[in-house]
Amino acid sequence: SQQGEEDPQALSIQEGENATMNCSYKTSINNLQWYRQNSGRGLVHLILIRSNEREKHSGRLRVTLDTSKKSSSLLITASRAADTASYFCATDQYNSGNTPLVFGKGTRLSVIA
Amino acid sequence: DAGVIQSPRHEVTEMGQEVTLRCKPISGHDYLFWYRQTMMRGLELLIYFNNNVPIDDSGMPEDRFSAKMPNASFSTLKIQPSEPRDSAVYFCASSIGGAHTEAFFGQGTRLTVV
Repeated sequence: SQQGEEDPQALSIQEGENATMNCSYKTSINNLQWYRQNSGRGLVHLILIRSNEREKHSGRLRVTLDTSKKSSSLLITASRAADTASYFCATDQYNSGNTPLVFGKGTRLSVIA
Repeated sequence: DAGVIQSPRHEVTEMGQEVTLRCKPISGHDYLFWYRQTMMRGLELLIYFNNNVPIDDSGMPEDRFSAKMPNASFSTLKIQPSEPRDSAVYFCASSIGGAHTEAFFGQGTRLTVV
């Protein structure tokens, strides 16, 4: 079953613009992760944010986490054509032992040059 | 390290045939996951192992699916007999410590059952 749900399902922007993707989840978590998938490839880890963190940066990526709303956002600043990919959020389940990651269906981002 | 290695990359088979997908996790990783990705259902967890032991196979769709991990460096996912609805991309991933850390994915096996 899906824990995380990304929004929007698809997003198309011009190169240089910022892209914001959102993720909502259902149960309490220990951490939330974002992954990128290029067409025809496997998923690649981007960033992990723990439940006691509110914001995290990595290069042009900024992730926020609001545990009260059970939501997270991924911001890509100054987007490039190479950022075109699908982006997934993934969560574990709080206090459920070492459970595996559960992924949402992803946001398809198209960056137009 | 070469990362998670899956084989084959592409598999086309006829309905009713047995299909075996293979995975070599990253050395030292104690968790191995098999996922299936389709447009309709997204990325679904099929089964995962911890230290070569299957922990949860509740995501395996039917008895036609089976998975093994005979040692820390090798896992297989078998479908017997295969059906057209099994067509999907199957991913293997490994990690240290399960969901608390980054998972490393293989390139996937695109399975087409005709």
